[in-house]
Amino acid sequence: AQSVTQLDSQVPVFEEAPVELRCNYSSSVSVYLFWYVQYPNQGLQLLLKYLSGSTLVESINGFEAEFNKSQTSFHLRKPSVHISDTAEYFCAVSSGTYKYIFGTGTRLKVLA
Amino acid sequence: GAGVSQSPSNKVTEKGKDVELRCDPISGHTALYWYRQSLGQGLEFLIYFQGNSAPDKSGLPSDRFSAERTGGSVSTLTIQRTQQEDSAVYLCASSLVGASGGYTDTQYFGPGTRLTVL
Repeated sequence: AQSVTQLDSQVPVFEEAPVELRCNYSSSVSVYLFWYVQYPNQGLQLLLKYLSGSTLVESINGFEAEFNKSQTSFHLRKPSVHISDTAEYFCAVSSGTYKYIFGTGTRLKVLA
Repeated sequence: GAGVSQSPSNKVTEKGKDVELRCDPISGHTALYWYRQSLGQGLEFLIYFQGNSAPDKSGLPSDRFSAERTGGSVSTLTIQRTQQEDSAVYLCASSLVGASGGYTDTQYFGPGTRLTVL
């Protein structure tokens, strides 16, 4: 069975500081990995995904995540956060089927 | 174009009543998903549709839950005899293709329906 662990339920960080949101997964088969973001009062939006190829994937708004197979991790990073990055971030894993397994989410709070 | 829409946005009901939650996927999306988001928990997969068929209903928490999809488009999630533990945000998502695309197509989510059972 697959599972996703997001250990940090909340991460407060000051504006322009770097941030890392952690995601670890367990799976006995090859995986596809996703980060979704949920802004207040909005639905989830895909931020970035790893399917194959380069283990470092980037989003259009400065976030990046690196697939680390040996550590079974897919941590999300941004070198300098903005107030507008305040949201809840969900990591998800799929083995190529319709069933995505989501983590419990990490609430990022960017402080002025 | 329009995204995934869900209605109602909020629903308050009394224990024991039946509720229907509606999802309008993005036009042309063949795959449709229902999830439940409870406080402090991740998204819980409920059911998946490919066209009008639901190959996997195993995520439905009890036989009080059912879902259907008609015309390859609109889907309705019905909860009968609601219980307080059914209180959650119910999310719908759709994607362009299912099996033929290896399920890696982006899932587009609606804003959800917040269900409160008193």
